Amino acid sequence: DSGVTQTPKHLITATGQRVTLRCSPRSGDLSVYWYQQSLDQGLQFLIQYYNGEERAKGNILERFSAQQFPDLHSELNLSSLELGDSALYFCASSGTGGSGYTFGSGTRLTVV
Amino acid sequence: EDQVTQSPEALRLQEGESSSLNCSYTVSGLRGLFWYRQDPGKGPEFLFTLYSAGEEKEKERLKATLTKKESFLHITAPKPEDSATYLCAVQGSYNTDKLIFGTGTRLQVFP
Repeated sequence: DSGVTQTPKHLITATGQRVTLRCSPRSGDLSVYWYQQSLDQGLQFLIQYYNGEERAKGNILERFSAQQFPDLHSELNLSSLELGDSALYFCASSGTGGSGYTFGSGTRLTVV
Repeated sequence: EDQVTQSPEALRLQEGESSSLNCSYTVSGLRGLFWYRQDPGKGPEFLFTLYSAGEEKEKERLKATLTKKESFLHITAPKPEDSATYLCAVQGSYNTDKLIFGTGTRLQVFP
């Protein structure tokens, strides 16, 4: 157990629907990162939150949004889902000092 | 733009056959270079962080080294349980904590 908790582990939904992925960071970590991993691509950075505020944005689609709550857990919202959104979505957290992160076990999203 | 290229894409080794994985990078001010191991369907697992050229770190059969342009992950006498995808990532210095990942090297070790 890495200390980063992601739910659900698996999600199957239809095109056009909306889903919410949840992440609880490791205790004491203020930063949360979301990554997307498709079969034909590596880990793609989506967005970072630090202590409740958006800190950095990557190649995140306008249909996707995220937020970090006062208890530091984060949610990634994916709407108007398309087949191409099927992927593994990872959350990671880190403390201060610019060290590497700890990843969760991911949510596997399948859009049918 | 920060970039990471890993080679080879895939590597098949006999148990006990040592080899090296390469990670070439371009980054504006390197804060750190990271190696992760990822098993199928699982999240990446942290292995090493290297901060400056010349630095080396070891863990069991793995040794990571860093130069100004690339990093190597040396695997000595690998075992089947070392089979996984090995990911390299860099963290730049321009006011960002994000990691930029390469696409990984898929390692298979056969008994």
